[in-house]
Parts: sequence; C-alpha cells; structure tokens
Amino acid sequence: EAQVTQNPRYLITVTGKKLTVTCSQNMNHEYMSWYRQDPGLGLRQIYYSMNVEVTDKGDVPEGYKVSRKEKRNFPLILESPSPNQTSLYFCASSFSSGTYEQYFGPGTRLTVT
Amino acid sequence: GENVEQHPSTLSVQEGDSAVIKCTYSDSASNYFPWYKQELGKRPQLIIDIRSNVGEKKDQRIAVTLNKTAKHFSLHITETQPEDSAVYFCAASVHNNNDMRFGAGTRLTVKP
Repeated sequence: EAQVTQNPRYLITVTGKKLTVTCSQNMNHEYMSWYRQDPGLGLRQIYYSMNVEVTDKGDVPEGYKVSRKEKRNFPLILESPSPNQTSLYFCASSFSSGTYEQYFGPGTRLTVT
Repeated sequence: GENVEQHPSTLSVQEGDSAVIKCTYSDSASNYFPWYKQELGKRPQLIIDIRSNVGEKKDQRIAVTLNKTAKHFSLHITETQPEDSAVYFCAASVHNNNDMRFGAGTRLTVKP
C-alpha cells in the first residue's frame, strides 16, 4: 500500500530535550516536505527536499533541522525544543516537485512543556 | 515570498446549497493552485488542483476557477452534502521554487 508514515504519532517532551520525528514514504517520491499546523494559521512549510542530500528552508525553518540521506526518509529534528514548537506536524511527499499532489502522513502531535 | 489569504474562515450552509471559498495570492509567478480537504482528526487530502494555463477545472460537484489578472482563485462545491463538512485549504506553489504556501483554512459545515 502506497503511504507516508510518521513516528511517533504523539509525543510529550520537555524544553531542551532533543527529539526526532521520522517520516518515510514507499512511493519512490523525489519531493518531501514538513509542515506544522496551528489553529488559525493553516499549514506552514518548515523544510522541503527535492531529492537526496538536497534540502531547502520553507516558511518557518527556525528551530528545526532536517536531513535526506535516503530517498524514502526525511526526519525532522528539534535540537532544543521550546513550548512554541507545540504543534501538529505533517510530513508529505510528491512525485517530483511542489507542483504535484502531495501525499500527507498521519501527523505527529507534539507537546513541549 | 508568496502570501496566500483565504476567506471565509468559517462557512455554514444547508445541505443541497452551494459553497464558495476564495483565496488570493501575492506572487504573480505562482502557477500551481491545489485545494486540500481535511476531515476532523485526519490528514489533508487533495481534492482538486489547477495550473495557471487554465481558467477553470471541474470534477463532479467540485470546481475551481482561477483569475490570474486579479490573483485569486476559488473553490465551488455544489449540492453540498453532510460529508463535505471539513476544513478546506487553498495553496499556491511556484514552479522551480517548490515552496508551498497554504491559506489559513475554511471550516465548512453542511447542515442536514
């Protein structure tokens, strides 16, 4: 089954404790992206990747890191989480660029206390 | 960079009526405009998209129109049904830029 998976689905952590949210797709998509969703603000792009070893900042990259060492995986790293990073995070992938349908993962709800 | 504004933020209609959601964008180079539907507790899913070389696209009860001159595009849902109740997001993307900018969303409620 073609899908995008994320782990964990729910995470409660404390300020400053490094964490990684994993994202994996099995559709051989070149493009992958991370978004955060906050009430009243819609979906805001954090980082995206056009292919292996190619990543670019989106609209709200501060406080986040990503890597793309393999085509199928695109982890999101929070080196020192803060309460303002409490949010719902979605990973997405698409065929070859941001101008094709994006397939979203199930979401990760992160709470930073 | 691109800025996408979406209106209204909430919309309530009676079953069978039409619903219209409007978005404006700021970057005239934007050339891809998707619409995503997000049901409660679910992930966003694409329902229709349009590229800048066409002015209108239809898929059964859903249509999208694009006015490049005015830099706005709209989602039209006809004969609404309760299962159309969801949050709808518009977005704009610039080719070769790959940035995707979403609107803030419209919560549509269809009353039976």
